[in-house]
Amino acid sequence: AQSVTQLDSQVPVFEEAPVELRCNYSSSVSVYLFWYVQYPNQGLQLLLKYLSGSTLVKGINGFEAEFNKSQTSFHLRKPSVHISDTAEYFCAVSEKGAQKLVFGQGTRLTINP
Amino acid sequence: ETGVTQSPTHLIKTRGQQVTLRCSSQSGHNTVSWYQQALGQGPQFIFQYYREEENGRGNFPPRFSGLQFPNYSSELNVNALELDDSALYLCASSLEWASTDTQYFGPGTRLTVL
Repeated sequence: AQSVTQLDSQVPVFEEAPVELRCNYSSSVSVYLFWYVQYPNQGLQLLLKYLSGSTLVKGINGFEAEFNKSQTSFHLRKPSVHISDTAEYFCAVSEKGAQKLVFGQGTRLTINP
Repeated sequence: ETGVTQSPTHLIKTRGQQVTLRCSSQSGHNTVSWYQQALGQGPQFIFQYYREEENGRGNFPPRFSGLQFPNYSSELNVNALELDDSALYLCASSLEWASTDTQYFGPGTRLTVL
């Protein structure tokens, strides 16, 4: 079975500051890794995913994430955030060969002007 | 291209009642997955349908059941509602059921059980 731990439930940052949202996972099998964003009163939107290859993955809206197999982490970063990045961010894993997503608890990113 | 749509947007039921939630998948997608997102939590996988057959199920009791129709739209049925069933129910569709395929989520149905 897989599990995902998002280490921060809330992250407040100032506009134009960099941000890192942390995600660790646990699995006995190979997994794929995902970051989704959920804006208020909306469904989930895929930011980026790691399937294979380069461990640095670039996504939409200027976000990127780095897969670290030895530390079983997949942290999300953005060098300069905007007010519009205010949302809930979810890290998720799926076992290779199965589409079921296992999500973390989410991290609420709040951008202060 | 139309995205994933869900109906209704909101629903209020009382304990013991039954509810049906609906999902229209994105055009060309034959796989639909359902997730339950309790307040303040991440979504939890309920089950997946691929070409009208159940293709995987999470840790939910049998009173959670589903259907997928020939046009690949889907229903989630919950019988004997309990207070803990109050949640946002999300539907996601994908081109195929392969784990590399992106799942596209609908806006969800918020169910309140009183």
